Amino acid sequence: AAGVIQSPRHLIKEKRETATLKCYPIPRHDTVYWYQQGPGQDPQFLISFYEKMQSDKGSIPDRFSAQQFSDYHSELNMSSLELGDSALYFCASKFGRQGVHEQYFGPGTRLTVT
Amino acid sequence: AQSVAQPEDQVNVAEGNPLTVKCTYSVSGNPYLFWYVQYPNRGLQFLLKYITGDNLVKGSYGFEAEFNKSQTSFHLKKPSALVSDSALYFCAVRDLTGGGNKLTFGTGTQLKVEL
Repeated sequence: AAGVIQSPRHLIKEKRETATLKCYPIPRHDTVYWYQQGPGQDPQFLISFYEKMQSDKGSIPDRFSAQQFSDYHSELNMSSLELGDSALYFCASKFGRQGVHEQYFGPGTRLTVT
Repeated sequence: AQSVAQPEDQVNVAEGNPLTVKCTYSVSGNPYLFWYVQYPNRGLQFLLKYITGDNLVKGSYGFEAEFNKSQTSFHLKKPSALVSDSALYFCAVRDLTGGGNKLTFGTGTQLKVEL
């Protein structure tokens, strides 16, 4: 079965640079979530989209922005990168904004800021 | 706010023995609870969920979880552990605050199954 695709899988950037992470949800899934998992930490919710509109916002820095496109893929744009942004970034998708369906996670993008 | 707590950072169990990974929850309203597993350098894999109905929920890879409303717990169990079950396990709760349907995770429990 098709899974959530994230690209790139690994990314190395320097401080103050920008990065763009991409997420391709499971076909027919219309809701996308972004999570950040720091070293030894649990995943923390950043932002979510439903039908191309932002549906919820968590602890996402103002330096970050995201959007969902007409084909439901999503991009997380990160600017003025800081060392503390080094983390594993997960995208998850599900069908429907509400409801009880579980979220399916991608393999993550490991961002290292040097 | 919705939250879950995993009181154990690590659980060690011998292969073939039963395992339990603990999770307690604090929610307003009906709890929608999930268990995910994370292998090194991998994404989170869904194991099972509790929405309503039977308190014993069966999931993937032989795992099950018992929902206990009086104890506000949702412990993950498996009758006979395998070395390949060694991984990081997260309990999560559906969090509707903010209008979305995000997951709030516990801090994770590292399960180590030894021969």
